Amino acid sequence: AQSVTQLGSHVSVSEGALVLLRCNYSSSVPPYLFWYVQYPNQGLQLLLKYTSAATLVKGINGFEAEFKKSETSFHLTKPSAHMSDAAEYFCAVMRISAGNKLTFGGGTRVLVKP
Amino acid sequence: GAVVSQHPSWVICKSGTSVKIECRSLDFQATTMFWYRQFPKQSLMLMATSNEGSKATYEQGVEKDKFLINHASLTLSTLTVTSAHPEDSSFYICSARAASGRVDEQFFGPGTRLTVL
Repeated sequence: AQSVTQLGSHVSVSEGALVLLRCNYSSSVPPYLFWYVQYPNQGLQLLLKYTSAATLVKGINGFEAEFKKSETSFHLTKPSAHMSDAAEYFCAVMRISAGNKLTFGGGTRVLVKP
Repeated sequence: GAVVSQHPSWVICKSGTSVKIECRSLDFQATTMFWYRQFPKQSLMLMATSNEGSKATYEQGVEKDKFLINHASLTLSTLTVTSAHPEDSSFYICSARAASGRVDEQFFGPGTRLTVL
């Protein structure tokens, strides 16, 4: 079985400050890892994904994430928060051998203060 | 490209009625579509996986007779909530995987908010 844990259901950052969202996973086999963003009453938009290539992955809107196998982590960062980054962020894991299903973490809501 | 739509975007219905939600891939053919539900302030939970032309595979704990899924074409899947009750009120989101796409790519629809009175 695989699972995803996102530390912190809410994160508050000042505009221009670093955004750090934590994600840890458990999986019996090397997984694919994803970060999605969800704006209110909307579906999910893919920010970035790790699929066993480079461990540092760059995504859209200035976000990046680093896969650390030894720590079973895939934390999401952005050097400088923008007001438009206020949203819900979900980390997800996919095990290719298990029907390619996504398992989502609990989500982290980001609030950006002016 | 890779746009997925859902209809309706929101629906309010009376308890006991059935509601159908459509999920369409607008510019690609989707061999596989996934249905999720999301309760307020919670994460997405996979309900079922549907493959075009075959029966859907439901996750443990999801009643297949209550949540009817049909994937009759490569661009359309429908979720019918039968005899809806207030506890079925939720945000339902579909995603689609392209027939010619990577296995790790899913494109999400905008969601349908269902409120059962």
